[in-house]
Amino acid sequence: NAGVMQNPRHLVRRRGQEARLRCSPMKGHSHVYWYRQLPEEGLKFMVYLQKENIIDESGMPKERFSAEFPKEGPSILRIQQVVRGDSAAYFCASSPQFRETQYFGPGTRLLVL
Amino acid sequence: DAKTTQPTSMDCAEGRAANLPCNHSTISGNEYVYWYRQIHSQGPQYIIHGLKNNETNEMASLIITEDRKSSTLILPHATLRDTAVYYCIVRVSSNTGKLIFGQGTTLQVKP
Repeated sequence: NAGVMQNPRHLVRRRGQEARLRCSPMKGHSHVYWYRQLPEEGLKFMVYLQKENIIDESGMPKERFSAEFPKEGPSILRIQQVVRGDSAAYFCASSPQFRETQYFGPGTRLLVL
Repeated sequence: DAKTTQPTSMDCAEGRAANLPCNHSTISGNEYVYWYRQIHSQGPQYIIHGLKNNETNEMASLIITEDRKSSTLILPHATLRDTAVYYCIVRVSSNTGKLIFGQGTTLQVKP
């Protein structure tokens, strides 16, 4: 049973470019959470999605960040016009049902030059 | 959200039991205690969770006090690979289930 998969594992972007981070939840899981970990800081919740719905985006920056979890395919975290402050590790977690245990992926390390 | 308090760091000798404490004095009756760990900068790894009763799995044991105001994670025979940051999290039942991570305890297992 494959775990949560994230790709790419490392992503380098120049300021102003777009970054797309993908997350494939565990088989049978329909709930996806995104977290961000800035350098030398703790993990911070960003957004919670179910298939085709954003349930809680209280941790998402107001501008440039968006997330989706389409009916088919992985969840996507999109960052437009990246800035150096976006450099961080972005982790995705999935759970089978609401409020059940979340299992994390290996993360995507984003570096903005 | 119920706040948790953990020591910043702890040491443990290899092969000995590691006991990691967590205070959560404002926990509500229907809120679970979760433990995760993060090795280096890998993705957080789920360890164990509990509500009232003590729990044990292949990784660890979780001891929750009767008043539920504190808990202890026990790694029975710590190895060097258990060196990590350990997070105690109280899962708030009234919100969407998001996990709120504190600073955790950095456990250093020494040979």
